[in-house]
Amino acid sequence: ETGVTQSPTHLIKTRGQQVTLRCSSQSGHNTVSWYQQALGQGPQFIFQYYREEENGRGNFPPRFSGLQFPNYSSELNVNALELDDSALYLCASGGDGSTGELFFGEGSRLTVL
Amino acid sequence: AQSVTQPDIHITVSEGASLELRCNYSYGATPYLFWYVQSPGQGLQLLLKYFSGDTLVQGIKGFEAEFKRSQSSFNLRKPSVHWSDAAEYFCAAHSGTYKYIFGTGTRLKVLA
Repeated sequence: ETGVTQSPTHLIKTRGQQVTLRCSSQSGHNTVSWYQQALGQGPQFIFQYYREEENGRGNFPPRFSGLQFPNYSSELNVNALELDDSALYLCASGGDGSTGELFFGEGSRLTVL
Repeated sequence: AQSVTQPDIHITVSEGASLELRCNYSYGATPYLFWYVQSPGQGLQLLLKYFSGDTLVQGIKGFEAEFKRSQSSFNLRKPSVHWSDAAEYFCAAHSGTYKYIFGTGTRLKVLA
């Protein structure tokens, strides 16, 4: 039990639609990161927020965007969905400690048809 | 470029046999290192982590890992595998920025 919860757990969208995935972090965790895990692959870093500002981004296009809120919740938004966006999306949060340990949620599985 | 490599895509062992999963990293300095396990359709569960100090790290479920700086490796071991250990295992690293780099994973199959 990591204290990180994600919703929805599963969803199906069609190509071209938009989706919002939500995450609730542990209280006191100022960092939230999002990862995409395609089938049969390891998780890939999408971006990271610290105190509501994006402070790191992986190799993902601008149609992937995020928000972090003061109440330790966050969102991942994906516009103009493509078939390749089908994946498990993992949210992870971390505190301000020097080790940078992340605590992962169970993920939201997105299927794009 | 920073990277984490898991050379074995699939490993099959018999129940009760020992297990070693390989992980190699490429970073400018020694990163923080992690092993996660993922059952089908589930999220990531942390098995163990290495930050510094003792190079042999104990984790949950009877797993341990050994950090070897000279080989840039962080291999996961278990003396006796149980059927419930069948899952996918991921090695991950970061250099203090929270940006984790994951290996591609090793899928473990356990024969009864």
